[in-house]
Amino acid sequence: GAVVSQHPSRVICKSGTSVKIECRSLDFQATTMFWYRQFPKQSLMLMATSNEGSKATYEQGVEKDKFLINHASLTLSTLTVTSAHPEDSSFYICSAHRAGGPLETQYFGPGTRLLVL
Amino acid sequence: GENVEQHPSTLSVQEGDSAVIKCTYSDSASNYFPWYKQELGKRPQLIIDIRSNVGEKKDQRIAVTLNKTAKHFSLHITETQPEDSAVYFCAARTQGGSEKLVFGKGTKLTVNP
Repeated sequence: GAVVSQHPSRVICKSGTSVKIECRSLDFQATTMFWYRQFPKQSLMLMATSNEGSKATYEQGVEKDKFLINHASLTLSTLTVTSAHPEDSSFYICSAHRAGGPLETQYFGPGTRLLVL
Repeated sequence: GENVEQHPSTLSVQEGDSAVIKCTYSDSASNYFPWYKQELGKRPQLIIDIRSNVGEKKDQRIAVTLNKTAKHFSLHITETQPEDSAVYFCAARTQGGSEKLVFGKGTKLTVNP
């Protein structure tokens, strides 16, 4: 149990376009999902915390108008990178906290590799 | 906010030797400390975790120790194998508020056959 999927696994887009990444909890309900960004050879940096039915909480320095997060259901959160630029190229990983589960446990998705040309 | 420092950034050991990775944290309110293993291009995988009411936890070849007074925790891998080669991240979660984790910068472990 506790499987998290992401779609797409990798995407290449042109500069200026928008890209949507989906994060799904397949066999559990996720009250909270987290979006991370990981540049090559670096650590995971939390971008935002997404709670079902409410606005996402963004970390300092993350532009909420550029990285749109929607958590419309207990099994799906989406991250839309708007007007993507080459510097947005990165590995985007989501994680999900199981509703009713241990507060600390997060289940990670497989990640989405974004390349902006 | 919480700040997690991790050392070393790279670690190379011979197969069969032990490997130790150390992390320090700044927020004394942190109460949960997981360790993740990440292979290239893949998701982080939880390998062991420890809560602040415990000083040590072991799972086969992997152990974690926590010193709350000094605010540091360590990952110990014994009898290392080539498949242990990966990047390891420590993290800390602060009690109260959101469940967010703050990660260390990672340690690239290479186990040489």
